[in-house]
Amino acid sequence: DAGVIQSPRHEVTEMGQEVTLRCKPISGHDYLFWYRQTMMRGLELLIYFNNNVPIDDSGMPEDRFSAKMPNASFSTLKIQPSEPRDSAVYFCASSRGADTQYFGPGTRLTVL
Amino acid sequence: GQSLEQPSEVTAVEGAIVQINCTYQTSGFYGLSWYQQHDGGAPTFLSYNALDGLEETGRFSSFLSRSDSYGYLLLQELQMKDSASYFCAVSRMNTGFQKLVFGTGTRLLVSP
Repeated sequence: DAGVIQSPRHEVTEMGQEVTLRCKPISGHDYLFWYRQTMMRGLELLIYFNNNVPIDDSGMPEDRFSAKMPNASFSTLKIQPSEPRDSAVYFCASSRGADTQYFGPGTRLTVL
Repeated sequence: GQSLEQPSEVTAVEGAIVQINCTYQTSGFYGLSWYQQHDGGAPTFLSYNALDGLEETGRFSSFLSRSDSYGYLLLQELQMKDSASYFCAVSRMNTGFQKLVFGTGTRLLVSP
């Protein structure tokens, strides 16, 4: 299996622009998680889905952030408008049930 | 609320044994996981304890005491490649769904 796939790997954008991060989970996994990692706040869970349905979005920082999972093989995390404080590494992870979470390589986002 | 505590940094020499402790406070506790993350990389799963006791996987072992809300990761025969950050993560059950809450990580530096 190819593992969790994320794109882009790096994104540099200007404040106010829309940013879309993409994730393809491991086939057969029914859970998908979006995390954000920064030096200051560590690894934070933003939102997770079960069978394409959002279960808990309490970690989403504010209304500028939104996430969708239109089917079992694709999810997006969108930031609109982006701000410099959104600069971080964003990880997508997937799991089968309550088993081990497998992380993608991450997207390093820089907002200027 | 919930909290996890682990040391911020540990140093050791090649061939030595090191123990990274993790204490937690949370409701709906289901299990304790450990993840390894190299600089610039993604977190990767190391071990999981749902029951009290020791789990051994090669050079790595993990221990859990649910009554003490405490666990540790034991790394033996340290190698240079073990230099990385190590995160404990609590699995919490909430309304029938499980999610991970990560600690702030312990940076392990292995020297020759």
